[in-house]
Amino acid sequence: NAGVTQTPKFRILKIGQSMTLQCTQDMNHNYMYWYRQDPGMGLKLIYYSVGAGITDKGEVPNGYNVSRSTTEDFPLRLELAAPSQTSVYFCASSIYTDTQYFGPGTRLTVL
Amino acid sequence: KQEVTQIPAALSVPEGENLVLNCSFTDSAIYNLQWFRQDPGKGLTSLLLIQSSQREQTSGRLNASLDKSSGRSTLYIAASQPGDSATYLCAVSSGGSQGNLIFGKGTKLSVKP
Repeated sequence: NAGVTQTPKFRILKIGQSMTLQCTQDMNHNYMYWYRQDPGMGLKLIYYSVGAGITDKGEVPNGYNVSRSTTEDFPLRLELAAPSQTSVYFCASSIYTDTQYFGPGTRLTVL
Repeated sequence: KQEVTQIPAALSVPEGENLVLNCSFTDSAIYNLQWFRQDPGKGLTSLLLIQSSQREQTSGRLNASLDKSSGRSTLYIAASQPGDSATYLCAVSSGGSQGNLIFGKGTKLSVKP
């Protein structure tokens, strides 16, 4: 099992550009999450999904969108990138509320 | 609103020492508590998960305890090794069926040879 994979690993965006961060898990987990981690801070939840076709907002959803058309994939869309979205983005998955397994992260810089 | 605090923010110990990392949370109505390890530039690795009905969990040299009523958890690391150097994050499930985690800012541990 590859676990949770994220692409790309690094990305630099210009202000106003858009992009999609990809997340795939091969563990047949029903729950998936997107977090962001700013320097020296804990992780904050952006969006989560409890199954295909079901998504909901977390603590910091503004400026982001998600979709979950399959169990395996949970892409995060950034529209009109802003410097405040410079961060490291982590995707995670779990079986219900059990242990969460994290991907390696995407380091995004918006200039 | 649930808040998670980890003290200290950084800790440096000599190899072989036993140590304790602390985590406190403001709302005792948690579903579970998880401890993670994060190496520089890497993702998070789950170390231990304690359900709200449990008092402790053990894995190898790690022991995590939970006192829900006082809003505290500790992570005990026995016989520390340089390879234990990393940032340790505590996170609580905020309740409900979603499993959403509220994280502390972490304790950066350095174990000197």
